[in-house]
Amino acid sequence: DAGITQSPRYKITETGRQVTLMCHQTWSHSYMFWYRQDLGHGLRLIYYSAAADITDKGEVPDGYVVSRSKTENFPLTLESATRSQTSVYFCASTKTTGGIKNIQYFGAGTRLSVL
Amino acid sequence: AQKITQTQPGMFVQEKEAVTLDCTYDTSDPSYGLFWYKQPSSGEMIFLIYQGSYDQQNATEGRYSLNFQKARKSANLVISASQLGDSAMYFCAIRTNFGNEKLTFGTGTRLTIIP
Repeated sequence: DAGITQSPRYKITETGRQVTLMCHQTWSHSYMFWYRQDLGHGLRLIYYSAAADITDKGEVPDGYVVSRSKTENFPLTLESATRSQTSVYFCASTKTTGGIKNIQYFGAGTRLSVL
Repeated sequence: AQKITQTQPGMFVQEKEAVTLDCTYDTSDPSYGLFWYKQPSSGEMIFLIYQGSYDQQNATEGRYSLNFQKARKSANLVISASQLGDSAMYFCAIRTNFGNEKLTFGTGTRLTIIP
């Protein structure tokens, strides 16, 4: 059970470049999420998706674009990367486990550095 | 809007002792769920335990238990008989507005177990 796969694991880019982070889940579950983790802030929600073709903004959406044409994929694009977007990015999807509905499980994360 | 407060940035605990990690929350929604996640130095986010606002009993999962005090709006994580492998960041999170499944995270507590 691969669960949630993020790629790449590490990425270095330059300011102004477009970057796409990939997220793939094997559960065919509806909900998917993108978070960023920065020191002192915990995890903050960037975008989320309730189903294919349905997306909505989270707490910190500026500078990011998402799409979800297929249930299993939820890519996150930085259209013009800035240094403030240097962070660790986590993708998550929900799964019902042990009778608890929709627990969020996370991918391994992508560490992005914008120079 | 909901909020999670974790007031302990860091804690040092002797191996085999019990440890309590504090979490207080704020929400006006009568229906909510509280989650704890562990993030070891390798970076992945690991789901530990869940407590629903209407659950009659405190949640337990192996060495983890949740001290849920609804009137005080607190959901402290208790780890019994701590082990070196418990050294990690611990995040408390709340989910309200069932239907979009979003989580709001606290800033985390770094737990270090001393041999």
